[in-house]
Amino acid sequence: GNSVTQMEGPVTLSEEAFLTINCTYTATGYPSLFWYVQYPGEGLQLLLKATKADDKGSNKGFEATYRKETTSFHLEKGSVQVSDSAVYFCALSTNNAGNMLTFGGGTRLMVKP
Amino acid sequence: EAQVTQNPRYLITVTGKKLTVTCSQNMNHEYMSWYRQDPGLGLRQIYYSMNVEVTDKGDVPEGYKVSRKEKRNFPLILESPSPNQTSLYFCASTPTGYNSPLHFGNGTRLTVT
Repeated sequence: GNSVTQMEGPVTLSEEAFLTINCTYTATGYPSLFWYVQYPGEGLQLLLKATKADDKGSNKGFEATYRKETTSFHLEKGSVQVSDSAVYFCALSTNNAGNMLTFGGGTRLMVKP
Repeated sequence: EAQVTQNPRYLITVTGKKLTVTCSQNMNHEYMSWYRQDPGLGLRQIYYSMNVEVTDKGDVPEGYKVSRKEKRNFPLILESPSPNQTSLYFCASTPTGYNSPLHFGNGTRLTVT
């Protein structure tokens, strides 16, 4: 079956630091990969996605590259802000599972001024 | 405004007392789904629906029921809630297609005593 593993948090950084949140996956078929972000008291929002190998998804300064050879989709940002403090979820879906997303456990990011 | 609306946002109830959490979307999406979020476990799918009158079990369907009589509504029913169903619940919708991102509601925090 499908599974997603992401680094446990919390991750605490100072403002303007470099961010990496690791995500690896196992999947049958050819997955699409997603990063969702959850701000306090809200539902999840799509941050970025990639649908095939070597695709790079990007949004709001965040990037992630679909690496089929290492089955990874690590999230990066060059300079984090306090407003980036949230919980980040890596997820995948495959065409043999309808629209069912498989989520990782989530990583809480705290950015200090 | 395109949105997924869940009600209520907070609910405290007692073991065995039937409850319903409503979910409505105004985007004419075919696909709707319910997830529960628990610390360290990420989001796990409870039930999903590919269209009106078409529902199927997700990863953790035990103790839950759903119905899809209209395209816009997808209520989650707990016939006899138990304390292990204390959780944060999210409804989500998307057009069909496994590359389509999910649109999430803001969540319902349920406590069963």
